[in-house]
Amino acid sequence: DTEVTQTPKHLVMGMTNKKSLKCEQHMGHRAMYWYKQKAKKPPELMFVYSYEKLSINESVPSRFSPECPNSSLLNLHLHALQPEDSALYLCASSPGLAPINEQFFGPGTRLTVL
Amino acid sequence: QQQVKQSPQSLIVQKGGISIINCAYENTAFDYFPWYQQFPGKGPALLIAIRPDVSEKKEGRFTISFNKSAKQFSLHIMDSQPGDSATYFCAASRGSTLGRLYFGRGTQLTVWP
Repeated sequence: DTEVTQTPKHLVMGMTNKKSLKCEQHMGHRAMYWYKQKAKKPPELMFVYSYEKLSINESVPSRFSPECPNSSLLNLHLHALQPEDSALYLCASSPGLAPINEQFFGPGTRLTVL
Repeated sequence: QQQVKQSPQSLIVQKGGISIINCAYENTAFDYFPWYQQFPGKGPALLIAIRPDVSEKKEGRFTISFNKSAKQFSLHIMDSQPGDSATYFCAASRGSTLGRLYFGRGTQLTVWP
C-alpha cells in the first residue's frame, strides 16, 4: 500500500466552527507533514512530525492544531478559521526526514471557510 | 525570500515537442533536488530527483540536467504528450532542514494534441 489517504475530500465551515482533517498512511513511514496550497502556488509547509513528535512548526497560527496519535495517523484540528485560510490542505509522509526520502502526498482536503 | 526560482510560469508545447523548465538556487548547502508533478485535484507526486554529484539523470522521457557551478537545474520532457499536461514544481532540500522542501513557484505545462 503506497497511498496516503485524506478525509474529508471537501469541507465547508464557518468561522466559528471546529472541524478536523484526517490523514492516514500504512507504509510504515515515520515522518508526516501538513502543507497548505493556494491555487496556482506551491505547497507551503505547516508542520512536520517525526516519530510522532512535532519537529517543525512553521509559525502557523494557533487556530491550526496538529496531532499525531500514532505512527499511521495525522490530524489537523481547525478552530475559528478565517476566509483566507481557504485552501487545499495536503498531507504527506516519508520514511524519514533525510532529503533522499521521497515524500508521498495525499490528494488533499479542499477547505472553504465562509 | 524565494530560495528556488523557477521559470517559465506557464509553457505551451505541441505534442511530440520538448518541454524545458528551469530552476535556480542560491544556497550551496542544498544537496537534493526533486521535481514534483501535480495534476488538477491531486497531490504532488515525485517525478525524478538528482543529487549535485551528477550532471544528468534520465528516467524514460524525463531528464534532469544539473549545473553545479551555475547553481541551476532543469527538467526536460522529451516527446511531450497531452497526458504530461500538469503543474511541475522543482524543489531543493538539505540534510539539516528536517524534511523541509523549498519549492519553486511552479510551471503549468499544457501539451497540445
